[in-house]
Amino acid sequence: GAGVSQSPRYKVAKRGQDVALRCDPISGHVSLFWYQQALGQGPEFLTYFQNEAQLDKSGLPSDRFFAERPEGSVSTLKIQRTQQEDSAVYLCASSSSASEQYFGPGTRLTVT
Amino acid sequence: GDSVTQMEGPVTLSEEAFLTINCTYTATGYPSLFWYVQYPGEGLQLLLKATKADDKGSNKGFEATYRKETTSFHLEKGSVQVSDSAVYFCALSGGYQKVTFGTGTKLQVIP
Repeated sequence: GAGVSQSPRYKVAKRGQDVALRCDPISGHVSLFWYQQALGQGPEFLTYFQNEAQLDKSGLPSDRFFAERPEGSVSTLKIQRTQQEDSAVYLCASSSSASEQYFGPGTRLTVT
Repeated sequence: GDSVTQMEGPVTLSEEAFLTINCTYTATGYPSLFWYVQYPGEGLQLLLKATKADDKGSNKGFEATYRKETTSFHLEKGSVQVSDSAVYFCALSGGYQKVTFGTGTKLQVIP
């Protein structure tokens, strides 16, 4: 596609439910990043993939957060047993080596 | 660790006014510096970047200069337009491109 796409764009989950957020990066981009953006804040790094390898997951806030990119293209961020503090916009970005990151529109997660 | 501090908003300016949004950073090594913009209802877009000291990034009339001695990357525009109303994020990246963002500055330009 022309850019990074994310789905769903909006997700409402009841506290305790599991959610899965999808990211389709720009075709051929090796690097993929997930960020979490709380209301009124800047995005914060969650995790990084180079192809299918998850090279850095230091930003994941708890073991309820899990990300995968099994074939080195599409990535899924999964949040288990969602809590209210998980409410945020989740951004995905992709890049080719040594280029700028291109961001998707984000998924706005609201946990009620 | 790396961090970015930018002036708090909101900043409200009249059309054609001069804009400065201050940004300072803390990082090890020699990071690349960025300004991203988020227009209402849209995703993050790269506005400009600078990769080494004294570089000036520029785009759409905006510019910022990488000042290593003051660890700053202030955003400026000589004459803002209503269409520049958005949230502006200063950011840095070192190593493999993980980006560290500031908290954002909301700019509102009134006619």
